[in-house]
Amino acid sequence: EAGVAQSPRYKIIEKRQSVAFWCNPISGHATLYWYQQILGQGPKLLIQFQNNGVVDDSQLPKDRFSAERLKGVDSTLKIQPAKLEDSAVYLCASSQMPASARGNEQFFGPGTRLTVL
Amino acid sequence: AQSVSQHNHHVILSEAASLELGCNYSYGGTVNLFWYVQYPGQHLQLLLKYFSGDPLVKGIKGFEAEFIKSKFSFNLRKPSVQWSDTAEYFCAVTGEYGNKLVFGAGTILRVKS
Repeated sequence: EAGVAQSPRYKIIEKRQSVAFWCNPISGHATLYWYQQILGQGPKLLIQFQNNGVVDDSQLPKDRFSAERLKGVDSTLKIQPAKLEDSAVYLCASSQMPASARGNEQFFGPGTRLTVL
Repeated sequence: AQSVSQHNHHVILSEAASLELGCNYSYGGTVNLFWYVQYPGQHLQLLLKYFSGDPLVKGIKGFEAEFIKSKFSFNLRKPSVQWSDTAEYFCAVTGEYGNKLVFGAGTILRVKS
């Protein structure tokens, strides 16, 4: 079974530039998550989709971050404009069961390491 | 709000030593608990999970964890570590329903051969 795919793996940009990350979840997985992992910290949930609807975006900085999940499959996360503090690894994860299901396992992709100069 | 505290950020052990990594969570209701591991150069993967039932949970590669509700703890243990256990370990929690994972800061384990 193919895992969660993410691209690019690495991205270096200057502050105030824009950047986009792409995620392809495991086939058939209804729920998709984007996490931000800052160096020295655990991952923090930014946004959670079930199919193509947003379940939770309470921790997404909506003034600069946006995300979409077209047709309930692939997803993109965009930052515009980027700030120095956005330097982090952005992780995508997916799970088979619906967002409301009890503690279902999330499968993580390799992440995109973003450096903002 | 939920939070997770991992006691040690760095742990160094010799091979065959016993391991215990501490994890405490803050949450008022029923929880689901997880340990994830990230080996060097690899992505996060599930080590073990607790939903209900026997509070002693066994996972992959000889790891186990014990849920102690009265102490709000879910410590990870392994009787004898190997060099290949070198990795970063994350404790995480969700509420009973819904799967918004809240992670601890992680513990970096280095096993000396």
